[in-house]
Amino acid sequence: DVKVTQSSRYLVKRTGEKVFLECVQDMDHENMFWYRQDPGLGLRLIYFSYDVKMKEKGDIPEGYSVSREKKERFSLILESASTNQTSMYLCASRPSGGLSGGEQFFGPGTRLTVL
Amino acid sequence: AQSVTQPDIHITVSEGASLELRCNYSYGATPYLFWYVQSPGQGLQLLLKYFSGDTLVQGIKGFEAEFKRSQSSFNLRKPSVHWSDAAEYFCAVVLNFNKFYFGSGTKLNVKP
Repeated sequence: DVKVTQSSRYLVKRTGEKVFLECVQDMDHENMFWYRQDPGLGLRLIYFSYDVKMKEKGDIPEGYSVSREKKERFSLILESASTNQTSMYLCASRPSGGLSGGEQFFGPGTRLTVL
Repeated sequence: AQSVTQPDIHITVSEGASLELRCNYSYGATPYLFWYVQSPGQGLQLLLKYFSGDTLVQGIKGFEAEFKRSQSSFNLRKPSVHWSDAAEYFCAVVLNFNKFYFGSGTKLNVKP
């Protein structure tokens, strides 16, 4: 089974702190994604990466950056956390290639609270 | 602009009753369509997907969905709901495989 793990299930940080959210997948997938999930808004794409050291902005990249130094690991960075970044963060991965590569596999999520 | 609409925020059904969750999308061509389920405190799990071919798609846990091009809909159905189906359900449309657009979700409650 594909496994996507996230470093923390719950995280509490203070305004202005630098925050790192880590995601690791064990199936050699080329593509990895970071979403945030807020009630009534569904999932919104922050960033994705289609290869090591490659990244693309999603729909809401402001206030975030990402790092992908190794294929299996995709990090989301909040340079200076703010209260409006309190949310559930979901990581996902997907293999490249045709129709069979369509599905995204999700981690369990990190619930971040910024005080 | 691409959009996915799930008009029902909350739905409550009795255990054993049938279920239909609605999903509509706006996109010029026939997109790839997905339904995911999220149990409390968990990530998203794929229920089923539609790429092409037969418009009635079978998924896991007894769910099915029907793609109707004329209505731009991809509604999720289950003939008999179980208490373990209580969760939040998300419809998603794929522009390309790296751009998923998710609906806002429908929370399903199941009455005993």
